Amino acid sequence: GAVVSQHPSRVICKSGTSVKIECRSLDFQATTMFWYRQFPKQSLMLMATSNEGSKATYEQGVEKDKFLINHASLTLSTLTVTSAHPEDSSFYICSGDPSSGGANEQFFGPGTRLTVL
Amino acid sequence: GNSVTQMEGPVTLSEEAFLTINCTYTATGYPSLFWYVQYPGEGLQLLLKATKADDKGSNKGFEATYRKETTSFHLEKGSVQVSDSAVYFCALSDVSAGTALIFGKGTTLSVSS
Repeated sequence: GAVVSQHPSRVICKSGTSVKIECRSLDFQATTMFWYRQFPKQSLMLMATSNEGSKATYEQGVEKDKFLINHASLTLSTLTVTSAHPEDSSFYICSGDPSSGGANEQFFGPGTRLTVL
Repeated sequence: GNSVTQMEGPVTLSEEAFLTINCTYTATGYPSLFWYVQYPGEGLQLLLKATKADDKGSNKGFEATYRKETTSFHLEKGSVQVSDSAVYFCALSDVSAGTALIFGKGTTLSVSS
C-alpha cells in the first residue's frame, strides 16, 4: 500500500513553544490530507482536512490559530502547534488520500507523540 | 450525524479461538465501511473494507460483511494468532455527506499462546 511518513516521531517541548510536525506521502500524491488527534485509549478525532493549495477545513472545536496547517505540495502537509501547553500533549496522526474524490481510502502515518512540559 | 459504535474491549483470547468484534454505524448516506488495525508502536493500517451493502471485505483471515439491514460491519476471524494482538478500529466514510473517516473508539485484542 501507499506509504506516509511523519517527522518527528516523538517530541518533547516546553510550554509556550511551537512545534512543527511534517507529514509526507512517499509514493503517491495526496490531494487531501487529514490530521487526527488520539488520546490514550480513545479513538482518533479528526482535527482538520487540508487540500493542497488551499486553506484547511477545521472541525468544530479545533482552534485554527493554534493548530496551523499548511499543505503546500501534493506530498507534504505540516501541522504547527503554536504556543503549546500541557493539554496539547497527545498523539497526532496524519493521513493522505490518493483519490481525487476525497475521503475514500486513507493511508496513515505512524504518528507523532507530543509531550508538552 | 454519522457515527460508529464498536464493542468495548479489551478482548482477551487464546490462540486459535474465534474472534468477533462488533461494529454498528449510523449514517445519513451510503457510506463505505472500514476496519483499521494498529499494531503496538505502529500507525493505522487498512485491514479490509466494503463499499456497498452485502459486500464482504477480507484480508489475512479476517472478514466483515456490510449489512445494511442491521447497519453492522462485524469483524470476524476463525482462528486468531498471537500476532493479531492489536487495536482494531471500525470506521466509515460517507463521501456524499462530505465527511472524512469517522472512527469507533477502538477495541484492543490480546491473544495469548
